[in-house]
Amino acid sequence: DTGVSQNPRHKITKRGQNVTFRCDPISEHNRLYWYRQTLGQGPEFLTYFQNEAQLEKSRLLSDRFSAERPKGSFSTLEIQRTEQGDSAMYLCASSPWATSGGTDTQYFGPGTRLTVL
Amino acid sequence: DQQVKQNSPSLSVQEGRISILNCDYTNSMFDYFLWYKKYPAEGPTFLISISSIKDKNEDGRFTVFLNKSAKHLSLHIVPSQPGDSAVYFCAASASQGAQKLVFGQGTRLTINP
Repeated sequence: DTGVSQNPRHKITKRGQNVTFRCDPISEHNRLYWYRQTLGQGPEFLTYFQNEAQLEKSRLLSDRFSAERPKGSFSTLEIQRTEQGDSAMYLCASSPWATSGGTDTQYFGPGTRLTVL
Repeated sequence: DQQVKQNSPSLSVQEGRISILNCDYTNSMFDYFLWYKKYPAEGPTFLISISSIKDKNEDGRFTVFLNKSAKHLSLHIVPSQPGDSAVYFCAASASQGAQKLVFGQGTRLTINP
């Protein structure tokens, strides 16, 4: 297993266009997370899937953002009508099913760098 | 409201010496803490973690200390090597619910030869 992969690695788009990013988690990891990181800040949580169910969304995730995880495998994050403020690194992470009462480590992909002109 | 804080934006250490990175948190619900290392244009790489039931966890050159009463944790790297130069993020999560990570702002560590 090669870890979490994300595509594309870089995306440049014009304001108002739609973009879609893909994340392939580590095999058999039930949990999948999306985070966003802007310059000089730590990553911020956007949304979380347990298998195919989207169980939590951050207030950061406006109506223009939508995420899916069909069949509980890969996930996509779509941003509609992009704005310059959407420029950031979008990170995906996955973790296995947490053992009873425990917490499992999240492993991150390389990220997708979005630039909105 | 910054629930996880890394108050030192940067740290410079001589090769072979000890590097100490600090992190403070405010949310008492956090019970799992992690350190990630990040190079430019790459995703965070997991380094080491600690559960709130412990006060120390060691893995090779890396040791994490947790002081629950002070809501403080630190990462010790000894001896420091040039390849350790990167941005280090402290993160915390609560075992209930989504277990989403809350990150600090990061500390840029530079190891000087």
